[in-house]
Amino acid sequence: NAGVMQNPRHLVRRRGQEARLRCSPMKGHSHVYWYRQLPEEGLKFMVYLQKENIIDESGMPKERFSAEFPKEGPSILRIQQVVRGDSAAYFCASSRGPNSGANVLTFGAGSRLTVL
Amino acid sequence: GNSVTQMEGPVTLSEEAFLTINCTYTATGYPSLFWYVQYPGEGLQLLLKATKADDKGSNKGFEATYRKETTSFHLEKGSVQVSDSAVYFCALIFTGGGNKLTFGTGTQLKVEL
Repeated sequence: NAGVMQNPRHLVRRRGQEARLRCSPMKGHSHVYWYRQLPEEGLKFMVYLQKENIIDESGMPKERFSAEFPKEGPSILRIQQVVRGDSAAYFCASSRGPNSGANVLTFGAGSRLTVL
Repeated sequence: GNSVTQMEGPVTLSEEAFLTINCTYTATGYPSLFWYVQYPGEGLQLLLKATKADDKGSNKGFEATYRKETTSFHLEKGSVQVSDSAVYFCALIFTGGGNKLTFGTGTQLKVEL
């Protein structure tokens, strides 16, 4: 039973390019969460999605960042026109639902974005 | 708002030493509390959790007790090993709150021979 799969594990972009990070949730999980870990900091919530719906995007920067979780395929976090400050580790997590008994998120290994 | 405060690291210990990593929280109501561990180059793994006051979470020799009166959830281990070297994150969540975890900044633990 594969866990949360994220790719790419490492991504290098030049300023102004686009970054796309993918996340496939655990089997049986229909809720996906994206977190960002800046250097020397803890994880900060970005966005919470269910299939085809954004439930909570209160942690997403207002510009350049978007997320989707289509009916088929992985969830994608998209960063347009990247800047050096976007360099971070982006973690995806999944769960069965917001009120699932375990109330526990399963995290992927993360995608580390470096902006040159 | 909700917040989690952890002791700053790095914490450096000799093998078999006793470990305490302090964690306190601020929240309206009674959240569930968690400790996650992040080994070098990897994602976060759930270490232990407690869902109500006085609950004790335990796993792999680590323990933490949910103290409502002091709003704390300190992580302890009686005898650390080199393999415990990692970053430890304290976190809270509210049931029905959309599973939005609030994390502390993490505490790096280095265990030396």
